[in-house]
Amino acid sequence: GDKVKQSPSALSLQEGTNSALRCNFSIAATTVQWFLQNPRGSLMNLFYLVPGTKENGRLKSAFDSKESYSTLHIRDAQLEDSGTYFCAADFAYKVIFGKGTHLHVLP
Amino acid sequence: NAGVIQTPRHKVTGKGQEATLWCEPISGHSAVFWYRQTIVQGLEFLTYFRNQAPIDDSGMPKERFSAQMPNQSHSTLKIQSTQPQDSAVYLCASSSPGTGGAYEQYFGPGTRLTVL
Repeated sequence: GDKVKQSPSALSLQEGTNSALRCNFSIAATTVQWFLQNPRGSLMNLFYLVPGTKENGRLKSAFDSKESYSTLHIRDAQLEDSGTYFCAADFAYKVIFGKGTHLHVLP
Repeated sequence: NAGVIQTPRHKVTGKGQEATLWCEPISGHSAVFWYRQTIVQGLEFLTYFRNQAPIDDSGMPKERFSAQMPNQSHSTLKIQSTQPQDSAVYLCASSSPGTGGAYEQYFGPGTRLTVL
């Protein structure tokens, strides 16, 4: 089965609203990365986490290694937040990606 | 810092031809990773080098695919006798070594390979 499960698989948000994306891990992960893949295909780094939380502008992420999950919160969603969000977990140097959450922010 | 550079950005080959994809990691990064992305399979790990040495190629198809890192400044992924199912975006990432095997990866723009 999938070691990294992302949910939801797709999401539509009204501009200005908030949402949370989640990754669950079936085995213990050391670190987690979150990426945004834009429509051109480029993967942009959002967060790199050891267990704990980080915040950057309207984005906040948490990684709980004991409960084996990570979340990405988006506050006040903007049109430019649209794209595919990937989480990637490090299992002893092998990085495994989730299948992504396709986010569409509506005007 | 130019980031990770991948060339070419697009490559079209005929079935049976060879394709060589290039990756230049971020200067100072000692780890290089190759991934393949398709709609159906998502992002798949292919292989990983650290300090130019191959560490893990468990994701590489056993036939026709090979990867090398002859020096610190570039890695190549070669696909012999390309098949239509090899069509994908091939992504390269580099990172600095962390502790306990943890790496923050930075990705290049990818090479879109189309096999006709």
